[in-house]
Amino acid sequence: GNSVTQMEGPVTLSEEAFLTINCTYTATGYPSLFWYVQYPGEGLQLLLKATKADDKGSNKGFEATYRKETTSFHLEKGSVQVSDSAVYFCAASNFGNEKLTFGTGTRLTIIP
Amino acid sequence: NAGVTQTPKFQVLKTGQSMTLQCAQDMNHNSMYWYRQDPGMGLRLIYYSASEGTTDKGEVPNGYNVSRLNKREFSLRLESAAPSQTSVYFCASSESGTGTYGYTFGSGTRLTVV
Repeated sequence: GNSVTQMEGPVTLSEEAFLTINCTYTATGYPSLFWYVQYPGEGLQLLLKATKADDKGSNKGFEATYRKETTSFHLEKGSVQVSDSAVYFCAASNFGNEKLTFGTGTRLTIIP
Repeated sequence: NAGVTQTPKFQVLKTGQSMTLQCAQDMNHNSMYWYRQDPGMGLRLIYYSASEGTTDKGEVPNGYNVSRLNKREFSLRLESAAPSQTSVYFCASSESGTGTYGYTFGSGTRLTVV
């Protein structure tokens, strides 16, 4: 089955800093890739996704590019805000296989 | 637009007690899932239902049972709760037949077994 490895946390940054959270995957075939965000006390929300190689997903200033050659889907944001403090999960799914495989999550804290 | 609704939000059980976690979705999704979230472990799949009338085991099914009551509802039952089942439980749903849409999650049930 698939596996997803993401950057160990916690990550602490100052407001307006550049953010990268690394995510790599192993999979048979070409999975769809996702980033989910979990705010305190809430469920996971889909942040962005990419369904094929070289696709770039983007939302709320976050971006991630599906890199087949490096099997990666790193999450980036140019200038983080305090409101971005949350836990971020990378996930992968194969077409026809409805089950998502999640990474262990990366806790991000942004300080003013 | 309720999405996925889970009840209860919090629950404390004594060891050996039973309970059912309820989940309902209003998006006409075919597939539904139960996950548990533990510190440092990420999300682990307990059971899933690809369509109404079918259920399958996930990664950590021991100690749990599920019922897909109809297309909207997917419940998770703990027959004899154990402290190891202390966790946050999430229900999710998705369109079936493809992995490209991702899941919609409920807000979770925080369960403590003492």
